[in-house]
Amino acid sequence: QSALTQPASVSGSPGQSITISCTGTSSDIGAYNFVSWFQHHPGKAPKLIIYGVTNRPSGVSSRFSGSKSGNTASLTISGLQAEDEADYFCCSYAGSSIKVFGGGTKLTVL
Amino acid sequence: QVRLQESGPGLVGPSGTLSLTCAVSGGSISSNNYWSWVRQPPGKGLEWIGEMFHSGITNYNSSLKSRSTILVDKSNNQFSLQLRSVTAADTALYYCARDSLELGGKGAFDVWGQGTMVTVSS
Repeated sequence: QSALTQPASVSGSPGQSITISCTGTSSDIGAYNFVSWFQHHPGKAPKLIIYGVTNRPSGVSSRFSGSKSGNTASLTISGLQAEDEADYFCCSYAGSSIKVFGGGTKLTVL
Repeated sequence: QVRLQESGPGLVGPSGTLSLTCAVSGGSISSNNYWSWVRQPPGKGLEWIGEMFHSGITNYNSSLKSRSTILVDKSNNQFSLQLRSVTAADTALYYCARDSLELGGKGAFDVWGQGTMVTVSS
């Protein structure tokens, strides 16, 4: 299973919106509605912020939203805040109980 | 609140066996969830290693399947990872995580440990 493709970095100013893409194949993202997104501050445990493509766990800000089109999933963060600066990873189900992660995207809040 | 804590040697010799344990607290390992191991080599992305269900069902990343074993220890409410014949490429931060079936599973990792760094070196 190949890793999903994410941009290495994205940046935005406070208050702006940014979108992080996660590109897979017709065998993972394109085949299933099981895409998750994680926020990871270095030195801390990753945090689930989106599951099932569009769903937010209880307690996660509504500023985070997920979507999918074809083989590409996207995470949008609106009203960017300094605390959003972190690494973001996507994960997709790839069938046969297999999960595959993206390479991660570093978000910088300018 | 469920918490996970990884433990194990921080240094393993080349060709040796990496052995890690994930202790589950605040909940039962026999709950309706899958329990996974995930790793992150320095400067790289996350890689799913494999998972187990309390019944003994296991699933593995095909690239690591021949070297990996995940076992459950219900009496101590923990699960473990063994990775055999390690090389420098196995140097990574190793996490254990819960894949919540309440959230649909299939990658909905809602609880993570802090991670433990394992270096493969002589």
